[in-house]
Amino acid sequence: EAQVTQNPRYLITVTGKKLTVTCSQNMNHEYMSWYRQDPGLGLRQIYYSMNVEVTDKGDVPEGYKVSRKEKRNFPLILESPSPNQTSLYFCASRLAGGQDEQFFGPGTRLTVL
Amino acid sequence: DAKTTQPPSMDCAEGRAANLPCNHSTISGNEYVYWYRQIHSQGPQYIIHGLKNNETNEMASLIITEDRKSSTLILPHATLRDTAVYYCIVRVNSGGSNYKLTFGKGTLLTVNP
Repeated sequence: EAQVTQNPRYLITVTGKKLTVTCSQNMNHEYMSWYRQDPGLGLRQIYYSMNVEVTDKGDVPEGYKVSRKEKRNFPLILESPSPNQTSLYFCASRLAGGQDEQFFGPGTRLTVL
Repeated sequence: DAKTTQPPSMDCAEGRAANLPCNHSTISGNEYVYWYRQIHSQGPQYIIHGLKNNETNEMASLIITEDRKSSTLILPHATLRDTAVYYCIVRVNSGGSNYKLTFGKGTLLTVNP
């Protein structure tokens, strides 16, 4: 089944404790992206990657890092999480062409205390 | 960026057609209109997209006005499982090949028995 998977689905952590949210897709998509969703603000893009070893900032990249060492994986790294990073996070992928639909993962709900 | 305007909420009776409007009066000639939906904090799901012609797939129909300043998503026979937030999005080329989808607040469609 074609899908985007994220782990963990739920995470409660404390300020300053480094964490990684993994994202994997099995559709051989070149393009992958991370979004965060907050009440009243919609989905905002954090980082995106056009292909392996190619990443760039989205609209709200501060406090986040990403890497793209393999085509299928695009982990989101919070080096020193803060409470304002409490949010619902979505990973997405699509083919590079641009017209194609974007497939979203099930989401990761992160709480930083 | 082309902005979209949608009603915050709509109701529809089960089995009837749901017609969701969207205004995008500042859309440019090469910008596509996409529709996604999100069922209660799940990952957004692609529905349909179009440029200037009307489009239909197994989920819905998309009617775009001739001047392209507005569109309507039609769910022909709404079911309870169609209750979701529906997002109308104008896809913007934000640089290189990063066609960004900017999710606004969408329309909460409630399908009633």
